[in-house]
Amino acid sequence: SYELTQPLSVSVSPGQTASITCSGDKLGEKYGSWYQQKPGQSPVLVIYQDTKRPSGIPERFSGSNSGNTATLTISGTQAMDEADYYCQAWDSSTGVFGGGTKLTVL
Amino acid sequence: QVQLQESGPGLVKPSETLSLTCTVSDGSISSYYWSWIRQPAGKGLEWIGRMLTSGNTNYNPSLKSRVSMSVDTSKKQFSLKLSSVTAADTAVYYCARSDYTASFDYWGQGTLVTVSS
Repeated sequence: SYELTQPLSVSVSPGQTASITCSGDKLGEKYGSWYQQKPGQSPVLVIYQDTKRPSGIPERFSGSNSGNTATLTISGTQAMDEADYYCQAWDSSTGVFGGGTKLTVL
Repeated sequence: QVQLQESGPGLVKPSETLSLTCTVSDGSISSYYWSWIRQPAGKGLEWIGRMLTSGNTNYNPSLKSRVSMSVDTSKKQFSLKLSSVTAADTAVYYCARSDYTASFDYWGQGTLVTVSS
């Protein structure tokens, strides 16, 4: 079965740039999405089709996807960005999520 | 603004069938995929399956033998049944919508289902 691998945790200082990676076989040939989930809340879509931001998502969130790796980048990270982040893709009509990355802003 | 609301028993006995319903408000149920996704406490997200209002379905291969989904377009509801449940099926269950972008743009608030005798 297809797998997506994320680092368990990423730390960043306020105002700096955070990068969260997601690795999977030929992931660059698929569309990737990213979701933010804060404690006790439902996930929120922050990036779709690799690079696009839904309405209402701040410009500091951006994405890329090439080769075997998709990356979520948060520029000028704020304390409110502290959350779990999940990548997601489709493999033969099966939805697959990465294991999630806890982003700590300190 | 589309709203999704999960409903169903919060407690299910081992070996029985888990049944949940998702009601869609303020939006069309047609022309979208409707998915079920679950999350055990402290763990990551797991996609269970999706369906179109046409009845076309796709299920996670790891759960396929136990999962079925259905839709009632007149009530704007879609449902999940998961049979032969065990404690490992204890999780928060979410319903979510995906469109042509293949991303989940709307999510329900989630409902906790505990499998216990």
